[in-house]
Amino acid sequence: KQEVTQIPAALSVPEGENLVLNCSFTDSAIYNLQWFRQDPGKGLTSLLLIQSSQREQTSGRLNASLDKSSGRSTLYIAASQPGDSATYLCAVSGNTPLVFGKGTRLSVIA
Amino acid sequence: SAVISQKPSRDICQRGTSLTIQCQVDSQVTMMFWYRQQPGQSLTLIATANQGSEATYESGFVIDKFPISRPNLTFSTLTVSNMSPEDSSIYLCSVAPQGVYGYTFGSGTRLTVV
Repeated sequence: KQEVTQIPAALSVPEGENLVLNCSFTDSAIYNLQWFRQDPGKGLTSLLLIQSSQREQTSGRLNASLDKSSGRSTLYIAASQPGDSATYLCAVSGNTPLVFGKGTRLSVIA
Repeated sequence: SAVISQKPSRDICQRGTSLTIQCQVDSQVTMMFWYRQQPGQSLTLIATANQGSEATYESGFVIDKFPISRPNLTFSTLTVSNMSPEDSSIYLCSVAPQGVYGYTFGSGTRLTVV
């Protein structure tokens, strides 16, 4: 059974810092890995999708990498801003629909 | 990517009653998914809904409690039946990946049962 772990559970940083969020998964037989953002009490916004054949994806200040063989992904956020404050969720899909980690709650302090 | 309209966005309900949540997609999709997010927790898959067949429920979720309809390729409903305070959660619908866009989610329904 696929399990997804995200570290750290919470992170507080000053504005302008670069930061890395970590995601690991137990079954490397995945199709895709997707990073989402969730604001309190809201739905999910897709940030980046990495297909299993890809190593990384970039969108603006965000860069996500995937090492399928080791079961790891990282989300790199450059020059963090207070508007980046949210919970970031990692999810993988394989033979089953998306399996989510518990998320990293990020606070960027002005 | 697909755009999903989910209603209601939030509701406060009395215990013992039922609430039906609707998701409308702007394009035809084969598979739709319903998730629950309990307070402080991550998302848990409730069931997969395919048009023209009964939904497939995950372990711990049953049809009598969470009946699902999928009358066509653009619409689905989830009903939370005989509600108790433990059903207070955010419920989200999702559609399967479309090319490079990955899974898309509705905006969620925040349910509070009192």
